[in-house]
Amino acid sequence: EDQVTQSPEALRLQEGESSSLNCSYTVSGLRGLFWYRQDPGKGPEFLFTLYSAGEEKEKERLKATLTKKESFLHITAPKPEDSATYLCAVTNTGNQFYFGTGTSLTVIP
Amino acid sequence: SAVISQKPSRDICQRGTSLTIQCQVDSQVTMMFWYRQQPGQSLTLIATANQGSEATYESGFVIDKFPISRPNLTFSTLTVSNMSPEDSSIYLCSVDGTGLDEQYFGPGTRLTVT
Repeated sequence: EDQVTQSPEALRLQEGESSSLNCSYTVSGLRGLFWYRQDPGKGPEFLFTLYSAGEEKEKERLKATLTKKESFLHITAPKPEDSATYLCAVTNTGNQFYFGTGTSLTVIP
Repeated sequence: SAVISQKPSRDICQRGTSLTIQCQVDSQVTMMFWYRQQPGQSLTLIATANQGSEATYESGFVIDKFPISRPNLTFSTLTVSNMSPEDSSIYLCSVDGTGLDEQYFGPGTRLTVT
């Protein structure tokens, strides 16, 4: 069964303290892996798509990487405005989307 | 990316009533999706709506409970019928991006059923 597991559920960081969020997946024929940011009361905001193991993408303080079993979202020197829930999702060759439950990130000034 | 709006943004409804949620996109899109996001849970796909054809429902969701309309390439509605407290959730519409590889989400509709 295709599924996505994210860890940790919640993460508190001091401003400037770098860390990583994990997304483990099991999917029959990975088509793509996606990272989203969701602020309270808003819909998910698209961040990255990764297609194959070894691929990396960066945006400001965020860097996403992909292996055959998991993806990491690295946050370098985070700021309070990076506080949000980060969602991971995969899609398979049947174009079905599976979302994780997210990691709630709080960055303390 | 597409700009997506939803109406209403939130509502409080009584058990047994129905609510229709609207989703408007600023550009023509092929596929529109309706999701439910319950507290502490991942997004769950309710159905996929293509213009000019019947919506395709995921396992556990039926047309009588969640009728969907897709009259054109920029608009869709989801109705939550005969509501119960278990239907309290955030309902999100999304659209496909380029090449079906991305989805862009609306702001969501927060529904509370009392």
